[in-house]
Amino acid sequence: SQQGEEDPQALSIQEGENATMNCSYKTSINNLQWYRQNSGRGLVHLILIRSNEREKHSGRLRVTLDTSKKSSSLLITASRAADTASYFCATDYSGYSTLTFGKGTMLLVSP
Amino acid sequence: ETGVTQTPRHLVMGMTNKKSLKCEQHLGHNAMYWYKQSAKKPLELMFVYNFKEQTENNSVPSRFSPECPNSSHLFLHLHTLQPEDSALYLCASSQVLSAGEFSYNEQFFGPGTRLTVL
Repeated sequence: SQQGEEDPQALSIQEGENATMNCSYKTSINNLQWYRQNSGRGLVHLILIRSNEREKHSGRLRVTLDTSKKSSSLLITASRAADTASYFCATDYSGYSTLTFGKGTMLLVSP
Repeated sequence: ETGVTQTPRHLVMGMTNKKSLKCEQHLGHNAMYWYKQSAKKPLELMFVYNFKEQTENNSVPSRFSPECPNSSHLFLHLHTLQPEDSALYLCASSQVLSAGEFSYNEQFFGPGTRLTVL
């Protein structure tokens, strides 16, 4: 399976703390994307990082990509209760015709 | 609002029923997708339509039948489903860069249809 793996599966933090989620993947990629899903809803695209990029920022989100280790991390700074959701990485593998989603990290931010 | 709508939002059906799920995208994209999301399982890609042609069918049982009449609309026709088909069905769309070699940019998801098969 080419499926990416998020780590940890679940993360519980207090408001104001930072949350870090990791994603590992198998083979070379065109890009890697992070999505967020609130309970029972559709996924929302957060950020895309291309294979030739190492770091990208969007508001309180910071994504890094290490192609030598085939891994990516998503950092949410100064978390809020509204950040409570599941976070998925999705890989656009070279030579594949679709995105491959991981199992997700469930983040709980307590007030 | 992501620009992708799905109807109905909730559906309960018996195993002998026939129903259809509808997806519409208002983003001018040229690719549309059906995904299945079951509890504690990763998102499963079911069907992909690029430029209105089906390019992926990930071993989906024939009781699921997709239809893409144009680049803005996607249907999933359901018949004689099983209880294990109960799940959240998500539609998504994206802009594919070319017909020959695909590079996948962000996908925009609808809110999903929560399907329960009795």
